[in-house]
Amino acid sequence: DAGVIQSPRHEVTEMGQEVTLRCKPISGHNSLFWYRQTMMRGLELLIYFNNNVPIDDSGMPEDRFSAKMPNASFSTLKIQPSEPRDSAVYFCASSRLAGGPYNEQFFGPGTRLTVL
Amino acid sequence: KQEVTQIPAALSVPEGENLVLNCSFTDSAIYNLQWFRQDPGKGLTSLLLIQSSQREQTSGRLNASLDKSSGRSTLYIAASQPGDSATYLCAVSGANSKLTFGKGITLSVRP
Repeated sequence: DAGVIQSPRHEVTEMGQEVTLRCKPISGHNSLFWYRQTMMRGLELLIYFNNNVPIDDSGMPEDRFSAKMPNASFSTLKIQPSEPRDSAVYFCASSRLAGGPYNEQFFGPGTRLTVL
Repeated sequence: KQEVTQIPAALSVPEGENLVLNCSFTDSAIYNLQWFRQDPGKGLTSLLLIQSSQREQTSGRLNASLDKSSGRSTLYIAASQPGDSATYLCAVSGANSKLTFGKGITLSVRP
C-alpha cells in the first residue's frame, strides 16, 4: 500500500502567486482531510470530504483558500493569491469513513510551503 | 470548543527508562483518541487509536490508556530507545470527525 501521497513535497513561491497542493488518498478510503501545521498554532483542520463531498470547511482561513475533490483518488488545495503568512506545512490525511468511532486517519508526508 | 493539552512540551530521558506521556482534553464527548509520532520534517505516523468505549490499547512497547470521564490519556513507552526520539501528538475525534490536536511532546532519549 502506497499510503497517502502528496505533491509537491516542497514549494517556494512569491507573494501573490497561485499555489496548488495535491493529494492522493489511500485506495478504498472515503474520507479526506486537509490540515495545516505551524509552530504557533500547531495542527489545524482546514476542510474534510466524505465520498468526494466537502462536509466541513469551517477551518479554511479565508476565501483565498479553496479545495476540491473531483474523484475518490485526487484532491487539491489551492491558495490564490498566496501571502507570507500562509507559509506552513500542509498535510493531507485519509480514513475509511469519517463519522464513526474507528475512523483512524493516515497522514501523508506533507508539503512544506514557503511564500516569500 | 474542544481543547487538547500536552504537558510538558519537551522531555529528555536516559535510554532504557520507562516513561509516560500525558494528554488531557476538555470535552469528554469524544469518539476516539489517537496517538501519533512525528519525526523532524516528516509526516505523522499513527501509533494507537483508542475508541471511546475502550480503556487501553497496546502495540509492542507502547501502551495507551483512556479515561474519558476525567478527560485524560497516557502513552506509556517501555524500555525507551534513542530511536523513540520524536514528537508525540495526541488527538481526539468527536462525532463530526474533526481531529483536535495537542501541541505535542518532544521526546529525546539519550544513549
